[in-house]
Amino acid sequence: SAVISQKPSRDICQRGTSLTIQCQVDSQVTMMFWYRQQPGQSLTLIATANQGSEATYESGFVIDKFPISRPNLTFSTLTVSNMSPEDSSIYLCSVGQNYGYTFGSGTRLTVV
Amino acid sequence: AQTVTQSQPEMSVQEAETVTLSCTYDTSESDYYLFWYKQPPSRQMILVIRQEAYKQQNATENRFSVNFQKAAKSFSLKISDSQLGDAAMYFCAYDGNKLVFGAGTILRVKS
Repeated sequence: SAVISQKPSRDICQRGTSLTIQCQVDSQVTMMFWYRQQPGQSLTLIATANQGSEATYESGFVIDKFPISRPNLTFSTLTVSNMSPEDSSIYLCSVGQNYGYTFGSGTRLTVV
Repeated sequence: AQTVTQSQPEMSVQEAETVTLSCTYDTSESDYYLFWYKQPPSRQMILVIRQEAYKQQNATENRFSVNFQKAAKSFSLKISDSQLGDAAMYFCAYDGNKLVFGAGTILRVKS
């Protein structure tokens, strides 16, 4: 199965700033997915990132707030922009494969 | 839109006993996948088991098995011989062309 390296594992940020989260996959994958998991809740899909095209955002998520880059088939970044305390969550990346989906270890973001 | 419902916010089981976690889903599709994922406090999402909708046979992975009832849109997870390491949040997920997760069930294992 694919191995995903996600960085940073956690961060504490000031409101109004931005944080970029990186995911590196050890194999080439067509689609990468970004999720948000608010405290004590389930995972919600933010967007799907394909290499060479703009990410597709789910309802309630916009590119200006969560810009995504996908420069090649093994790497993607998610930026959380102009952060507020409501953005405090765990952010996870994921890739789909034949047997299911593999997830990164998550980034725990706290906005103060 | 597809929805996934886990009606048990929390479950407890005695070590070595069996527990069943419930999941129902709503879809108009006939071809899809269903998953159970485990999320321990480390927050790493771990695939427990998967089921293809076109397969009538219930999936089994060691101590984990599912009861897949396609007509009833039900997908429960049975954990046999529960171990302390099974304690975690369990998410049921539906995959049409993207994953939709249930709210999760916290499983506590008592020694």
